[in-house]
Amino acid sequence: DAKTTQPPSMDCAEGRAANLPCNHSTISGNEYVYWYRQIHSQGPQYIIHGLKNNETNEMASLIITEDRKSSTLILPHATLRDTAVYYCIAFFTSGTYKYIFGTGTRLKVLA
Amino acid sequence: GAGVSQSPSNKVTEKGKDVELRCDPISGHTALYWYRQSLGQGLEFLIYFQGNSAPDKSGLPSDRFSAERTGGSVSTLTIQRTQQEDSAVYLCASSRRGLIAGVGETQYFGPGTRLLVL
Repeated sequence: DAKTTQPPSMDCAEGRAANLPCNHSTISGNEYVYWYRQIHSQGPQYIIHGLKNNETNEMASLIITEDRKSSTLILPHATLRDTAVYYCIAFFTSGTYKYIFGTGTRLKVLA
Repeated sequence: GAGVSQSPSNKVTEKGKDVELRCDPISGHTALYWYRQSLGQGLEFLIYFQGNSAPDKSGLPSDRFSAERTGGSVSTLTIQRTQQEDSAVYLCASSRRGLIAGVGETQYFGPGTRLLVL
C-alpha cells in the first residue's frame, strides 16, 4: 500500500511559521490529503484537508503541489501548545475506506 | 455536548484471553471509526461504520478482530485469543455524516483504550 512520508522530527521557534512537509507520491484521482495532530496523551485532532487547491482555516494552511505528490502544512505563528506529532494522511477510496497513517512528524516549538 | 468516550481506559490481559473495547460516539453522529496505535507506530485504520453497517472491514488485522455497532450508537471492538502484538492504544472516532461520495469530514476522537497483552 502506498504511504505518506514525513520527516520524523522538526523544531520551530515560537511565533515563527512551522512548515511541515509530506510526500504522497502515489496519490491519485479523488484522493484527499488530510492532516491530523496528536498532542501527548490526547486523541488525534483534525487540522485541515484538501484535494487540489490550497486550503486555509483558522488553524493552518495546506499547500498542495500541482502534481499532488507532496504537500506542506503551515502553522503561521507556532505556539508552545502546537508541540505535537503531526500526521499527513492520504485518503484512498479505491473500493475501500482506508486511511493510511505514517509515523508522523514530531514538531517541537521552542520558546 | 459530550465527546466520544471509550471504556475501559486501560486493560491488561493475558495472552489467549478475549477482550471487548467499547466506544460511545457523539450523539447523532452517523459514522464511527476504529483505529489503533502501536508503540512507535502511526495510527492504523481498522474499521468504519456507517450507521450499523461496516462497508469495509479489510483494515482488521486478522479474523480474531471483530466489531459491531448497534442502534447506530455504541460500538464494541472484540479481540479474541489476544496476542502480545495486539498491545496498542485503540482509538475510536465519530463524525456527523461519514464517508459519503468520497468526501471525508472531521472526525472526533475519544481518549483511547490502552491494551496490554502479557
